[in-house]
Amino acid sequence: DAGVIQSPRHEVTEMGQEVTLRCKPISGHNSLFWYRQTMMRGLELLIYFNNNVPIDDSGMPEDRFSAKMPNASFSTLKIQPSEPRDSAVYFCASSLGPPPLHFGNGTRLTVT
Amino acid sequence: AQKITQTQPGMFVQEKEAVTLDCTYDTSDPSYGLFWYKQPSSGEMIFLIYQGSYDQQNATEGRYSLNFQKARKSANLVISASQLGDSAMYFCAMRQEGGTALIFGKGTTLSVSS
Repeated sequence: DAGVIQSPRHEVTEMGQEVTLRCKPISGHNSLFWYRQTMMRGLELLIYFNNNVPIDDSGMPEDRFSAKMPNASFSTLKIQPSEPRDSAVYFCASSLGPPPLHFGNGTRLTVT
Repeated sequence: AQKITQTQPGMFVQEKEAVTLDCTYDTSDPSYGLFWYKQPSSGEMIFLIYQGSYDQQNATEGRYSLNFQKARKSANLVISASQLGDSAMYFCAMRQEGGTALIFGKGTTLSVSS
């Protein structure tokens, strides 16, 4: 039974580069969420989609961040250009309707 | 504003003892749900237990139980008979008002020793 699949698991990039994080939700789930986890700020909701439509992107830090969900089985979170303060663990989660959310294993992003 | 507060940054317990992790919340929504997640050192987020605001009984899942006190706006997680594998970060969360996302507390690190 496949869970939420995120790739890559680790990403190291230089400041100014574009970074794309990928997520495959659990089949049949209709809601998808992107979270960011840092020591200072904890787990923050960045954006979530219902039926592939963005519902709440108020947590997206700035215009450098963008997220898409072109179909029910795939989503991307893009940072362009990346900055050292973007270093964090980025989680994707999915659900069928209301919570609980099922999380992927996260992508650890390091921007140098 | 909606808020989850976990005041214990770290807790220490010996194997086989019970431990309570505190969580208080604030919301203006009359219908809400509270959740606990476990994050071991490997990093994944594991859903443990759920309590609905209208549930008459406290939720239980194996060794996990939720001590829900609505008037006090608290939803403490109780782990009975702690095991070494319970060492992890624990997060309390509630459903976002008017949405389906979760907002999380800052977490409590639990360390279980032998």
